[in-house]
Order: sequence, then C-alpha cells, then structure tokens
Amino acid sequence: DIQMTQSPSSLSASIRDSVSITCRASQNIDNYLNWYQQKPGKAPKLLIYGASSLQSGVPSRFSGSGSGTDFTLTISSLQPEDFATYYCQQSYSKIPYTFGQGTKLEIK
Amino acid sequence: QVQLVQSAYELKKPGASVKISCKTSGYTFTSYPINWVRQAPGQGLEWVGWVIPNTGNPTYAQGFTGRFVFSVDTSASTAYLQISGLKAEDTALYYCARDGAAAGHDVFDIWGQGTMLTVSS
Repeated sequence: DIQMTQSPSSLSASIRDSVSITCRASQNIDNYLNWYQQKPGKAPKLLIYGASSLQSGVPSRFSGSGSGTDFTLTISSLQPEDFATYYCQQSYSKIPYTFGQGTKLEIK
Repeated sequence: QVQLVQSAYELKKPGASVKISCKTSGYTFTSYPINWVRQAPGQGLEWVGWVIPNTGNPTYAQGFTGRFVFSVDTSASTAYLQISGLKAEDTALYYCARDGAAAGHDVFDIWGQGTMLTVSS
C-alpha cells in the first residue's frame, strides 16, 4: 500500500496569513494526488485534484503543487471559513486508496 | 442536483448486524462507483472499499473482508454497506462517496452526510 504522510499534524494561523501543508507519498504517484477539506460535523469536500487543479467552485486562494512524492497545499490570505482539517489522498493505486492522517488548521 | 443521502444514525449491540444505506439522486447511478470511507471518533479517513453499481462487484480494503458487505439496488439508485458481528471498534462515522472523474483523475467528488454507527451494550 502507498503510505501518505502529512505535515504538520496541526497548524495555527491568523486571518489573512498564508499557510502551506505538505504531503509525502511512500512511492512515486505522479500527480495522482487530491486534497480534501473537512469541517467539524461535515463530510469532506474535494478541493484540488491532479495535484494542482482546482475543483469547480473552490476559491482561488487554494492552490496545489508537486509531483512524484512531494506535494503542497497552499492557502493564501486565510479566511474564517478555511479553519478545518485537510487531507491528502492518492489515487495512483486505487486498491487501496489511501489518505494522509490529516492536518488541523486552527485560528491563532 | 447530485446528492448522496445516508441513513442518519445507528445504535447496535455487539454481535448484531447493521445495514447502512446511501441513496443517490441527480445522476445515473450505474455510471460511477460508490466508495465507503470510515472515520473513527477523532481520527482520519480510511477507505473501506468500493462497489461498481452496474455489476454489483465489490472490492474491499485489507481489514474489511469477511464482516463487511457492499450491495446495490439499481432500481432504487441506492448502495448499501452491511456489517455483521459488530464490535465496539466498529463505532465510527461511515461515509459513502461517489468515485467521479476529473480530467482523468479519480476523485471522491460527492459525499453523503455520513452515518454514525455506535456499537455498545
């Protein structure tokens, strides 16, 4: 199975800050990397697919980069609604799909 | 609009069985696989497996074979997750999610709201 490791596990930031979350795969996954946002009590929401493509309706302050084994999700100019937990997921090997352990973004 | 609506809440005793439903609408049910994802309390997301609606063919992740069974009712556009021999450690939120396609990438593009399963005596 492909292991996905996110860092940091938690992060504190202020409104209008920019933050980055990294995700590392245990083997090459090309650009088969998706990012999801989950707010408390809600289902995850797809933000970015293919490492860098923004899902329809997602604000442009979210961006993704990377390929191979190392990936980054960047949120510029944080808004109050961005405080949530973020997960990366690899779709290179679908059996099984695997997720990172999550990064909780909290307001400072 | 495209929606996945799940049964809300289940409270079961150890050893019992449960069948969680995921009713879809707004798209052709047989065109997209349905994934099941588990989230234990305070934990991350774990893929349980998927089912191909037009064939009913299931695939289970390691650790979810034997007691976990996926099924579909195409006439009702609904997928099901049945868990038998329930254990306390099965207590979790269970999500269904459509396996969509975005520019050649498989994504979980639409999610159900989750079913909270509590196993307790």
